[in-house]
Amino acid sequence: GENVEQHPSTLSVQEGDSAVIKCTYSDSASNYFPWYKQELGKRPQLIIDIRSNVGEKKDQRIAVTLNKTAKHFSLHITETQPEDSAVYFCAATPRAGGSYIPTFGRGTSLIVHP
Amino acid sequence: DAGITQSPRHKVTETGTPVTLRCHQTENHRYMYWYRQDPGHGLRLIHYSYGVKDTDKGEVSDGYSVSRSKTEDFLLTLESATSSQTSVYFCAISESQNEQFFGPGTRLTVL
Repeated sequence: GENVEQHPSTLSVQEGDSAVIKCTYSDSASNYFPWYKQELGKRPQLIIDIRSNVGEKKDQRIAVTLNKTAKHFSLHITETQPEDSAVYFCAATPRAGGSYIPTFGRGTSLIVHP
Repeated sequence: DAGITQSPRHKVTETGTPVTLRCHQTENHRYMYWYRQDPGHGLRLIHYSYGVKDTDKGEVSDGYSVSRSKTEDFLLTLESATSSQTSVYFCAISESQNEQFFGPGTRLTVL
């Protein structure tokens, strides 16, 4: 099955700095890569996603890059703000038979200091 | 938030008792999932469903069973709860290979 490694487990930055979270995956059949943000005590919510036919995607201060050859993808947050503090999860989604079952990384706790 | 609810939201039970958690959706999405979330482990898949009466195991399915008799409901049952099943349980829904929408979570404590 799919295996997703996520690093770092904790990331501490100053407000205004950039933050980068990296994930690697093992199954070359994976073709959908979402990122979720989970604030303390809340449910995970999608912030950005990328499909395997695209190398990069941006949405305001966040961007995701994908390297299919190396099987890794990264989340980039620029001009970080205190409200960016949360746990971020990456996932890789291969097709298993007729089903799409995401495998999640273990999460990165991002702390943005004012 | 997508139309997805979980009940109960909090439950405290004793070792050896049966527990059923309910996930209800109003989005008519095909896929439904049960995850458990524990510190340091992220989101681990327990079981998932790809249609009415169609379910399959995830990576941590031991001690859990599921049922889906209607599109909108996905039940997770702990036949005999153990302390290792103390966790936060999230239900999620999706349509094909797209974004998952998560429920609000159920905090289960097994004493």
